Amino acid sequence: EVQLVESGGGLVRPGGSLRLSCAASGFDFSYYSMNWVRQAPGKGLDWVSSISSSSGYIFYADSVKGRFTISRDNAKKSLYLEMNSLRAEDTAIYYCASLASRQGHYYFDYWGLGTLVTVSS
Amino acid sequence: DIQMTQSPSSLSASVGDRVTLNCRSSQSIGSYLNWYQQKPGKAPRLLIYAASRLQSGVPSRFSGGESGTDFTLTISSLQPEDFATYYCQQSYSTPYTFGLGTKLEIK
Repeated sequence: EVQLVESGGGLVRPGGSLRLSCAASGFDFSYYSMNWVRQAPGKGLDWVSSISSSSGYIFYADSVKGRFTISRDNAKKSLYLEMNSLRAEDTAIYYCASLASRQGHYYFDYWGLGTLVTVSS
Repeated sequence: DIQMTQSPSSLSASVGDRVTLNCRSSQSIGSYLNWYQQKPGKAPRLLIYAASRLQSGVPSRFSGGESGTDFTLTISSLQPEDFATYYCQQSYSTPYTFGLGTKLEIK
């Protein structure tokens, strides 16, 4: 059974930092691109960042570029998101999601349960 | 960035109804369009990828369609478990953008 389990969320003051982790199991983690997608309270889904299987390709949403860093450790089957200079608007549930590919089409096939990040003084 | 516009933002329907949800992209994205279902307090669940391909394990009452930059998600006969929020998402290019969602409610 595929499992993605996020951790590391919590309450942090504006300007602070936090590191999220996502532990994967039940699939060949090292072959998948992995992503972070967030959802502010009562709002829609917002893609944050993507990292390719070998970390060779990394992308960020403009809203987090320069503040967030995505990384992965294939040996540990883990995905990370280092978040710095946090703002109130970063408050959200952060989901870890795998990006599957079939015949050139990409889609988020597995999602974790999410971890809540609250940025507030 | 590619903008995704969903309509309506909410929809009331009854069990057994046939409903169609709409999604429009701001530019051509081919068939690079996915649909997700999300229930309160839960993670999103993939329903349809590549505009019309049903994800494994998803009931056949769900179907996807496309016409140019317009996409549809149709539920042929609503079941109680289908009341949720539905999001479309383009995978044509990063940033992978989502629509704001359609909330499907019980009438």
